[in-house]
Amino acid sequence: AQKVTQAQTEISVVEKEDVTLDCVYETRDTTYYLFWYKQPPSGELVFLIRRNSFDEQNEISGRYSWNFQKSTSSFNFTITASQVVDSAVYFCALTLYNNNDMRFGAGTRLTVKP
Amino acid sequence: AAGVIQSPRHLIKEKRETATLKCYPIPRHDTVYWYQQGPGQDPQFLISFYEKMQSDKGSIPDRFSAQQFSDYHSELNMSSLELGDSALYFCASSLETGSGGETQYFGPGTRLLVL
Repeated sequence: AQKVTQAQTEISVVEKEDVTLDCVYETRDTTYYLFWYKQPPSGELVFLIRRNSFDEQNEISGRYSWNFQKSTSSFNFTITASQVVDSAVYFCALTLYNNNDMRFGAGTRLTVKP
Repeated sequence: AAGVIQSPRHLIKEKRETATLKCYPIPRHDTVYWYQQGPGQDPQFLISFYEKMQSDKGSIPDRFSAQQFSDYHSELNMSSLELGDSALYFCASSLETGSGGETQYFGPGTRLLVL
């Protein structure tokens, strides 16, 4: 069975600081997919990124970047120069090939203070 | 761009009553998923449908049922409601491409409160 662990329950930073959210996953399957979602205080789940297990290339999108390392089963998310609007709960999630059951981590609540 | 639509957005019910939640997927998406998120918890997968057929089943109680209709919208029917059913219910949709691990786009959720 697959499992996602987000060990950081809450993180608080001051605006403009960089912050990294950790995600460690477990699966015996060789084909899997990793995701990050953002849940702002308004409650919706916003898709940020999808990665498949065969693509370890890191990705940068504006202030966001993701570091996927199969050797350590990690898919970490870094926000550079954080802003107050980044305050939200961030979920890392995992699905397997041909399985729609998306397993979420417990989430990390990020608070960015002005 | 059009997103997933859920209705109602808020719902208050009494114990033992029934509730029906509706989900309208992103146009041309053929797969819908239902999730339940309790307070302070991560979303838990309930059930999914592809082309009107149930595709996967998660931790959906027997008191709940769901279906996907010919226009791809889906309904989650909840009966004999219990206090513990109070939660945020998300619907998500995706387009099946055959490559697996499709990105699920979530709706705004329906917040259900059972009194």
